[in-house]
Amino acid sequence: GQQLNQSPQSMFIQEGEDVSMNCTSSSIFNTWLWYKQDPGEGPVLLIALYKAGELTSNGRLTAQFGITRKDSFLNISASIPSDVGIYFCAGRKRGGSNYQLIWGAGTKLIIKP
Amino acid sequence: EAGVAQSPRYKIIEKRQSVAFWCNPISGHATLYWYQQILGQGPKLLIQFQNNGVVDDSQLPKDRFSAERLKGVDSTLKIQPAKLEDSAVYLCASSPTGGSSNEQFFGPGTRLTVL
Repeated sequence: GQQLNQSPQSMFIQEGEDVSMNCTSSSIFNTWLWYKQDPGEGPVLLIALYKAGELTSNGRLTAQFGITRKDSFLNISASIPSDVGIYFCAGRKRGGSNYQLIWGAGTKLIIKP
Repeated sequence: EAGVAQSPRYKIIEKRQSVAFWCNPISGHATLYWYQQILGQGPKLLIQFQNNGVVDDSQLPKDRFSAERLKGVDSTLKIQPAKLEDSAVYLCASSPTGGSSNEQFFGPGTRLTVL
């Protein structure tokens, strides 16, 4: 089963607002990834984080790899209608040989008209 | 560069029937993944191939699911017989290698409905 807790489950926001979501785990991860999935499409990678404390931006998106290695955060500034979709966090644990990703359940972003 | 191709996009079958999905990864990508994504959940890895060899199939229900990548390029995933709980989107992804810093590129998925 899934080992990442992603919150919130959904968000209703006004256009122009900032958005924050996060993922937590009881396990240590050595990689955190944030994906966005539009309806009828596969997930698309937004930001990849590889070091504890790392803060990385991609346009209006900023993500951080938590110092404890057990959490990560994604922020979207000044949301626009095309930000609507489902955002997933995914992590890779330390060690192992197949680099399997563990996925959160997603945060659904809805922009109020 | 062409992305990951999957077909069909949609499939509706009755329980106990068989179904097969096809995936063509990005050219030159050695690693291919099949995921199952149930509505409201994140993707769950079913099987990972490195070239034509299986790297991880620990979450594949082997009594009914099978997958192959005979020539190390395209791949098929089969369900036989299907159950109601198999209704989901089946995503195929590929990456240049299976290494820890390699991005996985996803196809659009096949939405399976089992009646």
